[in-house]
Amino acid sequence: GAVVSQHPSRVICKSGTSVKIECRSLDFQATTMFWYRQFPKQSLMLMATSNEGSKATYEQGVEKDKFLINHASLTLSTLTVTSAHPEDSSFYICSARGSSHGTDYGYTFGSGTRLTVV
Amino acid sequence: QKEVEQNSGPLSVPEGAIASLNCTYSDRVSQSFFWYRQYSGKSPELIMSIYSNGDKEDGRFTAQLNKASQYVSLLIRDSQPSDSATYLCAVGGNMYSGGGADGLTFGKGTHLIIQP
Repeated sequence: GAVVSQHPSRVICKSGTSVKIECRSLDFQATTMFWYRQFPKQSLMLMATSNEGSKATYEQGVEKDKFLINHASLTLSTLTVTSAHPEDSSFYICSARGSSHGTDYGYTFGSGTRLTVV
Repeated sequence: QKEVEQNSGPLSVPEGAIASLNCTYSDRVSQSFFWYRQYSGKSPELIMSIYSNGDKEDGRFTAQLNKASQYVSLLIRDSQPSDSATYLCAVGGNMYSGGGADGLTFGKGTHLIIQP
């Protein structure tokens, strides 16, 4: 089946620094990538949607200048949290929508990145 | 604002019994419905997807959809301790007609505990 590889799985950074999270689709082309954020005991909240080669579309309340998304190829999307603050500490999960050889893989989730800003 | 509502639980079910999880959604034009299982600190894992009214069975799992009532449920038969997790209901658009370019709206999840 389809796999989305997400790295790093866990990162601790200092307040004011930037952190990059990568998601790679293995064996299929991710035409659309979704980025979610999940706070403890809360649901997954969609942050933004990106299509390969296009600018990302951000959900209301999500700062596009703080959460930079790049989807330069059909197999790689990155989320950069710029000038991170403790309130950005959360579980970030990517989800790819794509297909390969005519097989639709639906929504495939990465394994998540636990970000802690100290 | 699209909303997906679930009872947060915990829902405690004896081993071997049937666990019943429920979900309601607010957006009438929703077309795709998913149940995910999430263990603590892990990413969601797809259990079932359903797109048409009625029941869909896969092994010990049965998803039920009633679009008129905007209601989705998941039944887990012969519950096992390993089924203990948080179950997330997620709702989306028409996956094969543009709606697939939209992200999913998730409920907060129901914490299920299977008691040995």
